[in-house]
Amino acid sequence: ETGVTQTPRHLVMGMTNKKSLKCEQHLGHNAMYWYKQSAKKPLELMFVYNFKEQTENNSVPSRFSPECPNSSHLFLHLHTLQPEDSALYLCASSDRDIEVGYTFGSGTRLTVV
Amino acid sequence: AQSVTQPDIHITVSEGASLELRCNYSYGATPYLFWYVQSPGQGLQLLLKYFSGDTLVQGIKGFEAEFKRSQSSFNLRKPSVHWSDAAEYFCAVAVYSGGGADGLTFGKGTHLIIQP
Repeated sequence: ETGVTQTPRHLVMGMTNKKSLKCEQHLGHNAMYWYKQSAKKPLELMFVYNFKEQTENNSVPSRFSPECPNSSHLFLHLHTLQPEDSALYLCASSDRDIEVGYTFGSGTRLTVV
Repeated sequence: AQSVTQPDIHITVSEGASLELRCNYSYGATPYLFWYVQSPGQGLQLLLKYFSGDTLVQGIKGFEAEFKRSQSSFNLRKPSVHWSDAAEYFCAVAVYSGGGADGLTFGKGTHLIIQP
């Protein structure tokens, strides 16, 4: 365990479904992130939250909706996804202290059918 | 904007041989640099990081990396690889603004294959 926990580990959903990914960190960090990792593409930063406030949205389609109710929890709400959204979704956290670095969860493997 | 280049998509090394994975970055300010490793189906594990000070950084699992500002490089090395080192390796640069950490920018990764 890295201190960043993601659930579920695997998710299969239809294009008309609504589901949510959950991320939880117990490291006392103040920033949390969603990354998308697709086959043969570099890791893409999707969203950044600092102290519960969204500070970055990298042109992510509106079918992905993040939520950060507090500094320890981060959600990614999914609806009407496309097959090309199938990927590994990674959550990470970090602290204002640069020396702390970034800690990643194990990811959720999402398959859209 | 910052960017990271890992020029080698695949590298094959014999077990026991030395390893060097290349990483070049582009960033206007002082870079904060990282190497991560990813095993199949897993998340990212931090191998080492560079923020300042000694340009030769020691990490976990016997890895080290050297920061060379003049070459904008942060190459990862290991003197003798083990079969368990077979994985995907990612170099990344971090941006920190006044509000805190703004996320990592990753290279495309290098897939390391270990031959017996």
